[in-house]
Amino acid sequence: EVQLVESGGGLVQPGRSLRLSCAASGFTFDDYGMHWVRQAPGKGPEWVSGISWNSGSIGYADSVKGRFTISRDNAKNSLYLQMNSLRPEDTALYYCAKGPYFDYWGQGTLVTVSS
Amino acid sequence: EIVMTQSPATLSVSPGERATLSCRASQSVSSKLAWYQQKPGQAPRLLIYGASTRATGIPARFSGSGSGTEFSLTISSLQSEDFAVYYCQQYNNWRTFGQGTKVEIK
Repeated sequence: EVQLVESGGGLVQPGRSLRLSCAASGFTFDDYGMHWVRQAPGKGPEWVSGISWNSGSIGYADSVKGRFTISRDNAKNSLYLQMNSLRPEDTALYYCAKGPYFDYWGQGTLVTVSS
Repeated sequence: EIVMTQSPATLSVSPGERATLSCRASQSVSSKLAWYQQKPGQAPRLLIYGASTRATGIPARFSGSGSGTEFSLTISSLQSEDFAVYYCQQYNNWRTFGQGTKVEIK
């Protein structure tokens, strides 16, 4: 059974940093690109970032470019999102999702940016 | 960035009726288009990928069509569990979601 379990969310002040993690199981992790998707309260999903199977190709939404960094550790079947210079508009439920189209999603981890 | 535009924003349909949702891309995405269903408190659920291929376990009443920049999702006979928000997503150039279509009970 495929499982994606996010962690690392929480309440953080504007300008601070947070690192999200996603633990994957039930599939061959290093065969697939992986992605982060966020969803603000009452809004639709927004793709945040993606990384290819070997970390050779990485992409970011314009809204997070220069502030967020995606990475993965295939030996640990894990995906990460380092979020710096956080803003109130980054407040959302953050999901990791298995590529190329998102057939599996985690349950999400909530990030709240507020003073 | 590829912009995905869905229409209508809200679709009011009676159970048993047919619903057709539209999605337009700002540039060609070939057939790299997926559709998702989302219900409150749940993660989106993949319905269709490759513009027309149903995901595992998705009922045959869901069908997708289109290529290039114009796509549609058809639900042939709406069941009570189909009232939800639907999103299209392109995966030709990284990823972009449409803003969603809410299918509500008429």
